[in-house]
Amino acid sequence: SQKIEQNSEALNIQEGKTATLTCNYTNYSPAYLQWYRQDPGRGPVFLLLIRENEKEKRKERLKVTFDTTLKQSLFHITASQPADSATYLCALDRGYSTLTFGKGTMLLVSP
Amino acid sequence: EAQVTQNPRYLITVTGKKLTVTCSQNMNHEYMSWYRQDPGLGLRQIYYSMNVEVTDKGDVPEGYKVSRKEKRNFPLILESPSPNQTSLYFCASRGDRGVNTGELFFGEGSRLTVL
Repeated sequence: SQKIEQNSEALNIQEGKTATLTCNYTNYSPAYLQWYRQDPGRGPVFLLLIRENEKEKRKERLKVTFDTTLKQSLFHITASQPADSATYLCALDRGYSTLTFGKGTMLLVSP
Repeated sequence: EAQVTQNPRYLITVTGKKLTVTCSQNMNHEYMSWYRQDPGLGLRQIYYSMNVEVTDKGDVPEGYKVSRKEKRNFPLILESPSPNQTSLYFCASRGDRGVNTGELFFGEGSRLTVL
């Protein structure tokens, strides 16, 4: 079955720096991969989707890369702010029926 | 406002007392799904539904039932709750991924405690 690995340890960075979060997966390559943000006690919120034939996707301060050879996606937040502190989830498409989620990486941005 | 609404948001119950967590979406989405989220285990899918009267098991369906009689509603039923079903539950919906990004819209969550 598909396994997804995200850094289990929290990532602590200073405001203004670029945060980089990693999502690694095993087995088959998904048709697309998504990133979500989750605040404590709240439902995940969709951020970005990147398809298997795309190498990079950007949205404002967010950038996602997708390397199907390495079986890895990187999620970058540039000029990070304390308000970016949250848990970020990677999710892989398993076909139309479902997504498989990683356990998430907590990001803490200090002023 | 486009949203997925779950009720109740918080519930404490006792072992064996049947309960239903309701989920409703106002986006005319075909696809709906239930997840549970536990510390260290992440989000795991319980059941999903591709459309009305079509449901299927996810990764952790044991102890749960669902029904999809109407497009907008997808209740989660715990016939005989047990303490290992204490968790944070999320309902989610998605439209046709050929039309949009295929993103999941999540509800605010239902925190269930079974004593």
